[in-house]
Amino acid sequence: EPEVTQTPSHQVTQMGQEVILRCVPISNHLYFYWYRQILGQKVEFLVSFYNNEISEKSEIFDDQFSVERPDGSNFTLKIRSTKLEDSAMYFCASGTSGDYNEQFFGPGTRLTVL
Amino acid sequence: AQSVTQPDIHITVSEGASLELRCNYSYGATPYLFWYVQSPGQGLQLLLKYFSGDTLVQGIKGFEAEFKRSQSSFNLRKPSVHWSDAAEYFCAALPNTDKLIFGTGTRLQVFP
Repeated sequence: EPEVTQTPSHQVTQMGQEVILRCVPISNHLYFYWYRQILGQKVEFLVSFYNNEISEKSEIFDDQFSVERPDGSNFTLKIRSTKLEDSAMYFCASGTSGDYNEQFFGPGTRLTVL
Repeated sequence: AQSVTQPDIHITVSEGASLELRCNYSYGATPYLFWYVQSPGQGLQLLLKYFSGDTLVQGIKGFEAEFKRSQSSFNLRKPSVHWSDAAEYFCAALPNTDKLIFGTGTRLQVFP
């Protein structure tokens, strides 16, 4: 069964450093998402992406964040200058259509900012 | 404001007992509704979903959920809990966008 994969599973970085989190969505999916979950809190939407552009983003997704689909298979989330409060589990998801769409989640990348 | 509420932060049951996890949503129209499970250190696995039609939906691992429009609820149930069901359970809604709105989660603990 096809699944969403994410690398790395755990990333440790120093405050102020740039990180790139990688995701490989399910191959025939066209809609891509990032969510995050701060330890002990609920999962929060960050951004949705379709047709090589951002469809929607939350207030969390400020100028420090960017997303890209550099080739036909990868979908990345970049944090330009990490802050302590960026420490969280980041989930990638993908879906076949937009609204009212079932989203398939990857296993997550745990980001720890020191 | 649009939201999903899971009133129970933590539930403890004995193995073999029945389980009901509560979920309420507040939206003008009925959103699509989902239940996800997250085991420690793991990602989110979809248990079941409701889009329309039959209000009682069956999912994986023996779970089911019932949509009740009059109560704006989508409670998750299992007749007999197994120790392996211990995990965090998230209710989520998909209103008229593609942005999933999650509840705060319910942590299920199962005693032998």
